[in-house]
Amino acid sequence: DAGVTQSPTHLIKTRGQQVTLRCSPKSGHDTVSWYQQALGQGPQFIFQYYEEEERQRGNFPDRFSGHQFPNYSSELNVNALLLGDSALYLCASSWGGTNEKLFFGSGTQLSVL
Amino acid sequence: AQSVTQLDSHVSVSEGTPVLLRCNYSSSYSPSLFWYVQHPNKGLQLLLKYTSAATLVKGINGFEAEFKKSETSFHLTKPSAHMSDAAEYFCVVRSGTDKLIFGTGTRLQVFP
Repeated sequence: DAGVTQSPTHLIKTRGQQVTLRCSPKSGHDTVSWYQQALGQGPQFIFQYYEEEERQRGNFPDRFSGHQFPNYSSELNVNALLLGDSALYLCASSWGGTNEKLFFGSGTQLSVL
Repeated sequence: AQSVTQLDSHVSVSEGTPVLLRCNYSSSYSPSLFWYVQHPNKGLQLLLKYTSAATLVKGINGFEAEFKKSETSFHLTKPSAHMSDAAEYFCVVRSGTDKLIFGTGTRLQVFP
């Protein structure tokens, strides 16, 4: 039973570029949440997708957008990258649109130069 | 608004000695509280959760936490540390809109 898988594991971009991160949820899960974890900090909630719609959103600008596909996988897109967007981006999956028990992927380490 | 404060950024213990990781919470109602662990290059893993059924919550790998409303605390403990316990630990509260709010983390070091 595959857990939550994220790709790529590492990514280097320059300021102003755009990036797409991908996530496949744990088998049987239909809800995907994205978190940003800056160095030395706890993860911060970006948004959650359920039934192919953005269900909730944290305090992140519109440069951060996402999508959920019919197979429940998800993408996180970040436009006009800033140096401050450098972080570990974590994907978590769950069932039924709740945060009752999240399973996390290992993350994508994004470096913006 | 809900929040959690992890009182120690780093904790160091010797193998075989007790572990105490401290967390205080702020919530206007009875909260749902969690502890997650993050090992290097691995995803976050749920250790345990409190949802008002019992004040003493037992989790995986011998960890437990006690909810104390009078002290607004949810400290994580383990009687005897193992080298494999070395990791980052996060105290988490669930908001009224079902968002998870993470603390800043406590790095646990275990010395032989």
